[in-house]
Amino acid sequence: GAVVSQHPSRVICKSGTSVKIECRSLDFQATTMFWYRQFPKKSLMLMATSNEGSKATYEQGVEKDKFLINHASLTLSTLTVTSAHPEDSSFYICSARNSGGAGTQYFGPGTRLTVL
Amino acid sequence: GQQLNQSPQSMFIQEGEDVSMNCTSSSIFNTWLWYKQDPGEGPVLLIALYKAGELTSNGRLTAQFGITRKDSFLNISASIPSDVGIYFCAGHFFGNEKLTFGTGTRLTIIP
Repeated sequence: GAVVSQHPSRVICKSGTSVKIECRSLDFQATTMFWYRQFPKKSLMLMATSNEGSKATYEQGVEKDKFLINHASLTLSTLTVTSAHPEDSSFYICSARNSGGAGTQYFGPGTRLTVL
Repeated sequence: GQQLNQSPQSMFIQEGEDVSMNCTSSSIFNTWLWYKQDPGEGPVLLIALYKAGELTSNGRLTAQFGITRKDSFLNISASIPSDVGIYFCAGHFFGNEKLTFGTGTRLTIIP
């Protein structure tokens, strides 16, 4: 149980284009999902908290117009990187918080974004 | 944002050896979690700790929630090749759903 999927796993795009990443909780409902960014050999840095049916809460220094988050259902959150630039290249990981139980966060497999 | 101090940063051990790593914080945490991350993958939850003093095992892994609520350790006994990866501690402050991550411990097994 507690499986979280992400799609796509890898994406390469040209500078200036927008990229959408999906995060799904497959076997549980998640009122809250989280988006992280990870640079090589670094720890995970929280970008934003996504709440179903309401606006996302962004961490300090994260541009909300650059990283659009939509949490339209209890099992799906999307992150759209708008007008991507090479410095946006990174490993993006989502997690979903199990609404029941102890509220443990379960992580997706990550999406490797490369902007040319 | 705040990070947890995790040590050691890296470990080079031989197969069969025991491993110990720990995490400390200047603030009190309500929960402690240990994750393992393989290259190109997301973190996978290993052990979750919810009470001060709690000692929990998961196969060859054992973790403890420090009495002061400011630290936790993870032990791996009789390491095997598939233990290679990066181990992260993480925790919640009381009433905060956001996770704070440690800096990670990279485990390498020397043939």
